[in-house]
Amino acid sequence: DTAVSQTPKYLVTQMGNDKSIKCEQNLGHDTMYWYKQDSKKFLKIMFSYNNKELIINETVPNRFSPKSPDKAHLNLHINSLELGDSAVYFCASSRRENEKLFFGSGTQLSVL
Amino acid sequence: AQTVTQSQPEMSVQEAETVTLSCTYDTSESNYYLFWYKQPPSRQMILVIRQEAYKQQNATENRFSVNFQKAAKSFSLKISDSQLGDTAMYFCAFMMNRDDKIIFGKGTRLHILP
Repeated sequence: DTAVSQTPKYLVTQMGNDKSIKCEQNLGHDTMYWYKQDSKKFLKIMFSYNNKELIINETVPNRFSPKSPDKAHLNLHINSLELGDSAVYFCASSRRENEKLFFGSGTQLSVL
Repeated sequence: AQTVTQSQPEMSVQEAETVTLSCTYDTSESNYYLFWYKQPPSRQMILVIRQEAYKQQNATENRFSVNFQKAAKSFSLKISDSQLGDTAMYFCAFMMNRDDKIIFGKGTRLHILP
């Protein structure tokens, strides 16, 4: 069973579109995260949700909005996609805030 | 499918000692990249070191070095002269040459004791 699953795995879209990436974890964890992997393979944290409350909101454009319908899901919605949004986005979860992370397999977003 | 295994969930060493974190992986590919990431309490992921599979020479970055054994599919991280600031979670990761996605191990929590 996949612990942290993201869909879709690949997403190709036109500039200006709105898209969502879904993330679900079946580990019963309280905290979920979104990371963006840049071209140099650095992973930068974007958001963190703990029990449906936002606890980290790094400096990302407000075109990015996390949505957490329940603590097992943290979806990433992106409005008005730009070329620079092309990257791999990773979802992760942890039992509590400072505990070990479990990563999803990543979503490769390509904006044309 | 590619997998990455870190067999040490947690380790503790005294400051100034040398510590080695283990990582093994499984792949049928011949060209790929391997990484070690450090994750401090800030939850950021910091790229510590990377290794291209086609390079025989082990990568080094200041106090950090790797022991890359391609035939054994092993990629261990050695931290020399460990410092208190090295306390963090360390993730081993794998990436295929043709694909941009990174596959992570489950991490090793490293404590450097004063």
